[in-house]
Order: sequence, then structure tokens, then C-alpha cells
Amino acid sequence: LAKTTQPISMDSYEGQEVNITCSHNNIATNDYITWYQQFPSQGPRFIIQGYKTKVTNEVASLFIPADRKSSTLSLPRVSLSDTAVYYCLVGDITDKLIFGTGTRLQVFP
Amino acid sequence: DTGVSQDPRHKITKRGQNVTFRCDPISEHNRLYWYRQTLGQGPEFLTYFQNEAQLEKSRLLSDRFSAERPKGSFSTLEIQRTEQGDSAMYLCASSPWEDTQYFGPGTRLTVL
Repeated sequence: LAKTTQPISMDSYEGQEVNITCSHNNIATNDYITWYQQFPSQGPRFIIQGYKTKVTNEVASLFIPADRKSSTLSLPRVSLSDTAVYYCLVGDITDKLIFGTGTRLQVFP
Repeated sequence: DTGVSQDPRHKITKRGQNVTFRCDPISEHNRLYWYRQTLGQGPEFLTYFQNEAQLEKSRLLSDRFSAERPKGSFSTLEIQRTEQGDSAMYLCASSPWEDTQYFGPGTRLTVL
């Protein structure tokens, strides 16, 4: 399973765009890139998933370059409620999920 | 609410006691996963079921842990002779065939 590297923490202010980059140099051909969000004392919540190029939904965008060795989760105009831990995962979507320690995003007013 | 549900949400027990947690997956999701999360760490895989068959178990799942999924619907995770090191959040997730996993709210276990 490919290992991921992401920043331990990030700070932002309300209304700003936040980009969290994840490195996954050893990603395999059949691996997908998935991002989860987790609030304290809650289970992780699926945000977005992609294989290549760009994926956008109502919550976020996921940018994946052609070599797929990294990906960037983009959160537009964050609010205080976006304060959470964000996990980048790489793997076969049919397999168990391997979580790292994630990125703790703190949004300030 | 059609999401994954877990019961209880919180459990406090004394060392040496047995505890059982229940997970009800999203309807028609044939895969069910159990994870454990300790403070400051990401969730760690414990085991998963495809329908009623338990297909994989992590080495984290010691002999004191057992999971079942009778009839391929809800699942239970039992911990026998609990230890303080078992204190954690126990998370359940479900997914349809070869698709995204959706997590429940978790059961927080505190072993005194």
C-alpha cells in the first residue's frame, strides 16, 4: 500500500481557500486517492475521491497531476466549521483503508 | 437516518470485564469494516466482512477480540477481559461492492 505524506497542521482564516497537498510517490496503477474529514469524537466523513486529473463536488476539489505522485485537496472559502483533521488515503477502494495522522486544519475568524 | 449506526456511543467498563459493540451498516452494503482509533492517531484497520464471511483480520485483533456478522447484516465486536490499552474509539464502516467506505459515529470505550 502506498504511503502518504501530508502536513501535520495548517492554519487559515474564514473565507480563504485552503489547499492541502499529499505526497504518494509509490502509488500503484489501480490505486485511488481518497480524502476523509474527521471532527472530534466523530467517525471520518468521506469528502472526495479521484483517480486522475480533477474531481469536483459540492464540498471540495481534488487535483491530481499526470504522474499521480501527489494530490491536492482544495477547500473553497473555508468557515469555522471546516476545522477538522483531513486524511489523504491511497489504495485500492476495495481494500482496507490505511490512515496516517492526517492534517489538522484550524480555521480562525 | 440511513447512515451507519453504532451502539453504544460511549462505554465505560472496568478492567477485566467483557464488552460488546454493535454496528448497523447502510442497507444493502455488503462490506463491513471495523477500525480502532486512539487519541491523536488515524483509524487502524481491525477486520472486515463481506456479507457474513470474515475475510481479513489485523494482527491488532488479539485473541480477546471477536467479531461476527450473522446473516450479513449487523455486526458485533466483542472484547473479552478488557485492558486499559483497549481504551479507544471503535469505528465501523460499510461499503457497497468495491466502493467508498462510509463510517459510523463510533463507540468510545474507556477501560478503568
